Amino acid sequence: EIVLTQSPGTLSLSPGERATLFCRASQRVSTNFLAWYQQKPGQPPRLLIDGASSRATGIPDRFSGSGSGTDFTLTISRLEPEDFGMYFCQQYGTSPLTTFGGGTKVEVK
Amino acid sequence: EVQLVQSGAEVKKPGESLKISCKGSGYGFINYWIAWVRQMPGKGLEFLGVIYPGDSDTRYSPSFQGQVTISVDKSINTAYLQWSSLKASDSAMYYCARQTSGYFPYHYWGQGTLVTVSS
Repeated sequence: EIVLTQSPGTLSLSPGERATLFCRASQRVSTNFLAWYQQKPGQPPRLLIDGASSRATGIPDRFSGSGSGTDFTLTISRLEPEDFGMYFCQQYGTSPLTTFGGGTKVEVK
Repeated sequence: EVQLVQSGAEVKKPGESLKISCKGSGYGFINYWIAWVRQMPGKGLEFLGVIYPGDSDTRYSPSFQGQVTISVDKSINTAYLQWSSLKASDSAMYYCARQTSGYFPYHYWGQGTLVTVSS
């Protein structure tokens, strides 16, 4: 089973700042089948990025994903008030089985 | 419009059984995997298992094999997650999600079912 480790656990930033979130896999993620999700309290996760770098439909271009192999990054170029919440990475290269990272909380500084 | 609608919140006692549901609509239900994901209070997402309604092919995470049972009734476009004997540690929010066959993430999610197990 591929284990995904996200860092940092919590990111304290102000609106307008840049956020950089990391996701490291215990082994190579097949064909960069790596997704990022955003989750707000009381809501299910929302897909932001798939294939490591492709924005899902309707996702603003301030969100970008990069990386390959075992190291992946989600960048939010300028934080908007609605961007604060939890972020999770997911590898689906072993589909239909999958694993998720433990999450990064982006909070208001 | 693709929708996954889950059954309502449940409060159960340890040792009781439970079956929660996820009804799909707005797409060809038998052609997409339905996954179940657990989220314990304040924690991350954990994959439990997945089922393909077309042929009932079911796969479980090694961590949850034997702990839960996933099933489907394709005649009513509904997938299920069940426990035979609940524990307090099963208290969590449970989500279903739709996955396209092949290598795809989860574009669609249910609203979640909160399960509380307490004596």
